[in-house]
Amino acid sequence: GIQVEQSPPDLILQEGANSTLRCNFSDSVNNLQWFHQNPWGQLINLFYIPSGTKQNGRLSATTVATERYSLLYISSSQTTDSGVYFCAAEANAGNMLTFGGGTRLMVKP
Amino acid sequence: DTEVTQTPKHLVMGMTNKKSLKCEQHMGHRAMYWYKQKAKKPPELMFVYSYEKLSINESVPSRFSPECPNSSLLNLHLHALQPEDSALYLCASSRPSRTGANVLTFGAGSRLTVL
Repeated sequence: GIQVEQSPPDLILQEGANSTLRCNFSDSVNNLQWFHQNPWGQLINLFYIPSGTKQNGRLSATTVATERYSLLYISSSQTTDSGVYFCAAEANAGNMLTFGGGTRLMVKP
Repeated sequence: DTEVTQTPKHLVMGMTNKKSLKCEQHMGHRAMYWYKQKAKKPPELMFVYSYEKLSINESVPSRFSPECPNSSLLNLHLHALQPEDSALYLCASSRPSRTGANVLTFGAGSRLTVL
């Protein structure tokens, strides 16, 4: 099945800093989603982005499908951005979403 | 607020108990999922229901028994669980994208502790 790898595994930021999270995947995809899991376990859908670029407030994401990677940008980070960020991908020929290992983000005040 | 509702939020059960986790969505999604997540790990797929029929079972032990009574409801029946089954159980539903991909929305999870 498809392999999904995220980097870095852990990230500590000072409030106000910017960051870039990376997701590499091993196969052509028809589905790429970014999620934020808050400290209570809720997985919040940030972006559905199998290709191209999207922005939502301080967050934006870009997927370069031909090179099999996606990036999540967080600008002007806030303490509420803390948590785990997961990307998940579904291969063109697949029927299930596979999660990467996550990036654990801590934003300090 | 999530549009996928899971109950209970927390559950503590003994190894001989029978309990159920419940999941409900009213977004008209026709696919529903159970995931299991251990601490500091990504979610792992357990079951997928598509149009109320079980389409994927990821070799889950029979002590976990899913049920989809209708297109809005998904249950996970638990019986004779082991302490290692303690985890966060996440329910999701999905809508198809224009290309047919499954865009998932998750519930808040049910945190299960097996004593």
